[in-house]
Amino acid sequence: DTGVSQDPRHKITKRGQNVTFRCDPISEHNRLYWYRQTLGQGPEFLTYFQNEAQLEKSRLLSDRFSAERPKGSFSTLEIQRTEQGDSAMYLCASMDGTQYFGPGTRLTVL
Amino acid sequence: AQKITQTQPGMFVQEKEAVTLDCTYDTSDQSYGLFWYKQPSSGEMIFLIYQGSYDEQNATEGRYSLNFQKARKSANLVISASQLGDSAMYFCAMREATMDSSYKLIFGSGTRLLVRP
Repeated sequence: DTGVSQDPRHKITKRGQNVTFRCDPISEHNRLYWYRQTLGQGPEFLTYFQNEAQLEKSRLLSDRFSAERPKGSFSTLEIQRTEQGDSAMYLCASMDGTQYFGPGTRLTVL
Repeated sequence: AQKITQTQPGMFVQEKEAVTLDCTYDTSDQSYGLFWYKQPSSGEMIFLIYQGSYDEQNATEGRYSLNFQKARKSANLVISASQLGDSAMYFCAMREATMDSSYKLIFGSGTRLLVRP
């Protein structure tokens, strides 16, 4: 499968714990995006990389969130000290002109 | 700021019939692009169709077509010959420029389509 992959697909954690998600983009795509989708809403932009450079961050991305793409290939999104409001689907996309999305990581914070 | 409005939270359609999902947008840009994505219950966002603001023809991709009315700022998705597998959430999105001349997507709230057998 040569599409965007995300791991894990589901994550249940307790409030206050740290979680990390991984995204592997389509191999030749140098642009990678993270979005967050809460129940009943469309996805909202969080941050964006071109190669290893993080070029833009949304104000939704509080200081508890950090994203990296160290070698310009896969990316990780870490949430520290999770809160119940962080419960959402976290979607990754990579782009060659059109954004192609992965299956998402569904986070539940208890 | 860009804004996408989808006013239909849910729609029903009979199998094999056509259905139109509404999308209106707001932008002050002269050049813009509009997308439709499908999200089945599995969660993945599947790209369906794209319309550029300067495209003279309405976009079509198989059973999907986009009814683009620039003066009305609408970009409705038409699905012809509905199939049971079309049951999903459908999102309209607009391209918003990022600092390096790429773009991020601004999404509407979506329409849930249910195809009846």
